[in-house]
Amino acid sequence: QSALTQPASVSGSPGQSITISCTGTSSDVGGYNYVSWYQQHPGKAPKLIIYDVSNRPSGVSNRFSGSKSGNTASLTISGLQAEDEADYYCTSYTSSSSVVFGGGTKLTVL
Amino acid sequence: QVQLQESGPGLVKPSETLSLTCTVSGYSISSGYYWGWIRQPPGKGLEWIGTIYHSGSTYSNPSLKSRGTISVDTSKNQFSLKVTSVTAADTAVYYCARDVGIPATGYFDYWGQGTLVTVSS
Repeated sequence: QSALTQPASVSGSPGQSITISCTGTSSDVGGYNYVSWYQQHPGKAPKLIIYDVSNRPSGVSNRFSGSKSGNTASLTISGLQAEDEADYYCTSYTSSSSVVFGGGTKLTVL
Repeated sequence: QVQLQESGPGLVKPSETLSLTCTVSGYSISSGYYWGWIRQPPGKGLEWIGTIYHSGSTYSNPSLKSRGTISVDTSKNQFSLKVTSVTAADTAVYYCARDVGIPATGYFDYWGQGTLVTVSS
């Protein structure tokens, strides 16, 4: 299975909003509302920040939001903070009853 | 709280079998949810390896070409991963995690700290 497509890097200044895209196919992102997003700081395990396309687990800041249109899901981070600097990964359930990750996006807070 | 801990050899020789165990505390595997393995080669992205239910039903990444096997031991509250015929490409940090999705959708809410496995002679 092919990894979902994410931009390698994005950047933004504190207080700004950024959006990270995650593009798949009709067999994964487009076919199911089972998209999740993870935040990973260096040397740490990933942290679930979005599931079911747009739901936030308890304790996750409402500055993180998710959406989906067709075969592309998106993660938006508003009011950027220095602590948001991390790698972000999307995942999707697939028609093969498997899970596929995106290639990851490095967020730099300028 | 729920905690997961990976254990196993940190160095495996090429062509041999990688074996890891994940011990879960604070939650009984038999109570439900799915349990998965994810790996991350140094400096690279995350790759889903596979997931298992307490009943033993498994789902695996086809890219491993049947080299990967996941099993569960509910009596020890553990689940395990074996990857056969390893090469340098299997060098990675291996994570175990709990998947709270229904079906196993990749919603990993609790993770182990990860363990680095290096394949080298």
